[in-house]
Amino acid sequence: GAGVSQTPSNKVTEKGKYVELRCDPISGHTALYWYRQSLGQGPEFLIYFQGTGAADDSGLPNDRFFAVRPEGSVSTLKIQRTERGDSAVYLCASSLTVGESYEQYFGPGTRLTVT
Amino acid sequence: ILNVEQSPQSLHVQEGDSTNFTCSFPSSNFYALHWYRWETAKSPEALFVMTLNGDEKKKGRISATLNTKEGYSYLYIKGSQPEDSATYLCASPSGGSASKIIFGSGTRLSIRP
Repeated sequence: GAGVSQTPSNKVTEKGKYVELRCDPISGHTALYWYRQSLGQGPEFLIYFQGTGAADDSGLPNDRFFAVRPEGSVSTLKIQRTERGDSAVYLCASSLTVGESYEQYFGPGTRLTVT
Repeated sequence: ILNVEQSPQSLHVQEGDSTNFTCSFPSSNFYALHWYRWETAKSPEALFVMTLNGDEKKKGRISATLNTKEGYSYLYIKGSQPEDSATYLCASPSGGSASKIIFGSGTRLSIRP
């Protein structure tokens, strides 16, 4: 079956611009997670959703970052006034539901480069 | 231990040799320990989710053990093959939330033919 998909796969933008990154989870998965991965580091938690609501957004670095999941399926991570430090691979994952023992299924990531 | 830590950072192993590496995690308020394999240009793939102290899981030539009291897990690969080359990540829920997953920095494994 279809896995988690993310678009675009690569995004190059200029400092100060606005970007949107999209995640399409596995059908039927109610939990959705966003991570950011910088070179040489493991994925860094940003936010997770259970259904339509953001259950924990404590990992968002500042108020330039925002994520939505209006219908409980597709999610969009929005970054305003991008900075060079935002350059990273943004990973999305979904799981059947929220819970520590559920495997997360990852998408291929979006590589964001801010010039 | 406040964070999820992995060692070594990188490892080079001869094809056919066995190897292992370590994940350390906060032992208080333990929920679960996840292992993932991340091959270059692919998505991270779940290997194991472990929840019970003393648990041991196996998938082919790869196995993992868990000690929740002292806060560590070992991943073992028996008879390494070139296709085992990848970054191995461990992760554990942290910060009092069962679903806020904190990842280690990974162990980058390279298998020499």
